[in-house]
Amino acid sequence: QKEVEQNSGPLSVPEGAIASLNCTYSDRGSQSFFWYRQYSGKSPELIMFIYSNGDKEDGRFTAQLNKASQYVSLLIRDSQPSDSATYLCAARSGTYKYIFGTGTRLKVLA
Amino acid sequence: DGGITQSPKYLFRKEGQNVTLSCEQNLNHDAMYWYRQDPGQGLRLIYYSQIVNDFQKGDIAEGYSVSREKKESFPLTVTSAQKNPTAFYLCASSITGTAYEQYFGPGTRLTVT
Repeated sequence: QKEVEQNSGPLSVPEGAIASLNCTYSDRGSQSFFWYRQYSGKSPELIMFIYSNGDKEDGRFTAQLNKASQYVSLLIRDSQPSDSATYLCAARSGTYKYIFGTGTRLKVLA
Repeated sequence: DGGITQSPKYLFRKEGQNVTLSCEQNLNHDAMYWYRQDPGQGLRLIYYSQIVNDFQKGDIAEGYSVSREKKESFPLTVTSAQKNPTAFYLCASSITGTAYEQYFGPGTRLTVT
């Protein structure tokens, strides 16, 4: 059974701090990885994707991928209360096959 | 504006009735998907379609049916055979490319009583 594992949280960080969200995946053949932000009652919104080892930065967000350790992370710098949401990690393990984690709930405290 | 639309936003049905959820995209994406989200669970794939007039079952296809007659449209029918139909239903589409990024519509919340 292919899986993506995330800590459910909540992860609480003070406003302005760095939030670090992590996930691990079981399928070593996974080809690309995604981070989605999901506000309560809303659909997931794609915020970052990565497919090469290393870091990828976009504004306040940095995605990190370590294929040897089968580990993906998302860093959110200068966290804001509006970043409070559930963050879903997903791995693409086939052209049309995406495995989703259950999400980590992030709370940014003002 | 490019995007994925789903309708209706909320849907209420009595047990035993079939119901069809609409999904339309104008992103020119070839692949489209239907997922179901339940509290505390990851997204589960119901059906996906790589191309017009072709679709494949996902992990939980029992009690559901789909069609793909147009590239832009991928409706999902929840039949009376689906044992626990109450859920948040999400339609998605993906870009063909290096990462195959997948984007979601706003979702339809179905309640069956």
